[in-house]
Order: sequence, then C-alpha cells, then structure tokens
Amino acid sequence: GAGVSQSPSNKVTEKGKDVELRCDPISGHTALYWYRQSLGQGLEFLIYFQGNSAPDKSGLPSDRFSAERTGGSVSTLTIQRTQQEDSAVYLCASSIGRGNEQFFGPGTRLTVL
Amino acid sequence: GNSVTQMEGPVTLSEEAFLTINCTYTATGYPSLFWYVQYPGEGLQLLLKATKADDKGSNKGFEATYRKETTSFHLEKGSVQVSDSAVYFCALRGEYGNKLVFGAGTILRVKS
Repeated sequence: GAGVSQSPSNKVTEKGKDVELRCDPISGHTALYWYRQSLGQGLEFLIYFQGNSAPDKSGLPSDRFSAERTGGSVSTLTIQRTQQEDSAVYLCASSIGRGNEQFFGPGTRLTVL
Repeated sequence: GNSVTQMEGPVTLSEEAFLTINCTYTATGYPSLFWYVQYPGEGLQLLLKATKADDKGSNKGFEATYRKETTSFHLEKGSVQVSDSAVYFCALRGEYGNKLVFGAGTILRVKS
C-alpha cells in the first residue's frame, strides 16, 4: 500500500516568506508526527496529532511554526516569516496508534535564502 | 529530559568487517529503544526495536540488546556489506510518551 507522502519534495524560499508543507499519512493511521532534520540540531520532534485530541506542540521552536490536521488525515505545517535557520528537511511520520511503529515520509527539503 | 548519545562517525569499514555503533540513553522509567536507518536518497526506516530490558531486536543481520544496567542499545552486525552504507540513528520513546528522541546519527561507509 501507499506510504506516507509529503509535498513538495523541495522548497526554496526567500527570507520573510511564508511556506506550507503537506503530509499525507498512511490511510487509517490515527497518529501523525512532524520532525525536523537539520545539520546543527539533528532530528528533532516538532508536533504530534492523535485522533481528535489536542496536539502536542511542545517541540515547535517558535510561534512562527504552526500545524493543523484536517479531518484526521492530511496535515499542513506552516512556517511564517521564514528565517535562514529554518532551512532543514521536514519529516512527517504516521502510526496506526499511539505507541506503534512510526512510518516516515521522504521529507521536504526547505531552503531559505 | 530524555536524550540519546551515539558514537560520532563517519565509520568506515571494509566489507565483511564487524560493526558496532554505540548508543547510550538517558530516560526515566522504561523507554522503548529503536534503531532507524536512512539509506542514500531514501526516507527513515525502522531497522529494529526493543521494548523492555534484556530484549534483543534483530533484522537484516543487525542486532541490538536493551541493557538497562548500562543504559545502552549498541548496534552490531557480524559482517557488513557495501549495501549497509547509510546513516544509522538510535532513538527512544519514553515510557508514557509518543515522540521519538533521536541521537545525532552515525554515517557508515562500507568499502568493497
């Protein structure tokens, strides 16, 4: 079956612009995670959605970052007023439920000029 | 908070050599432990896992044993192949948590 998909695969933007990154989880997976992979910080957790529960936003680095998950499926990560330090690969993962194996998407490489 | 420390790379080995990548962790309670692998140009994949002390995870010839007394989860393989060249990440999930906490990653290069 289809895995986790993310779009775009690459995004180049100018400092100060807003960007939206999309994640399509595996069908039927109720849990969805966003992580960021950068040279300076390694792989770090950003946000977690589980069903209709309030998301765990504890990893979001600033209030410029937000995410939503519509209808319990597709998720969008939005970064406002992008900065150069936002350049990274943004990874999405989903799992069938809390505590189950997380399956990762291919990532979106964001470059902020 | 929870954290994972793994050996720095790159690790360069000849084909058929023995591999060890060290991983230690700090966590309260009883975390679950994982090794993920990222092959060139591909996404992160779960390689193996262990959910309680003394469990051994294994897959594709790789093994790791959950050692609570030494808070370690070292990755081993008896005979590496060129196709094992990748970045390996040790990770944990807290006992009551959801998110994964990753180590910095170790680049493995295997020469023929």
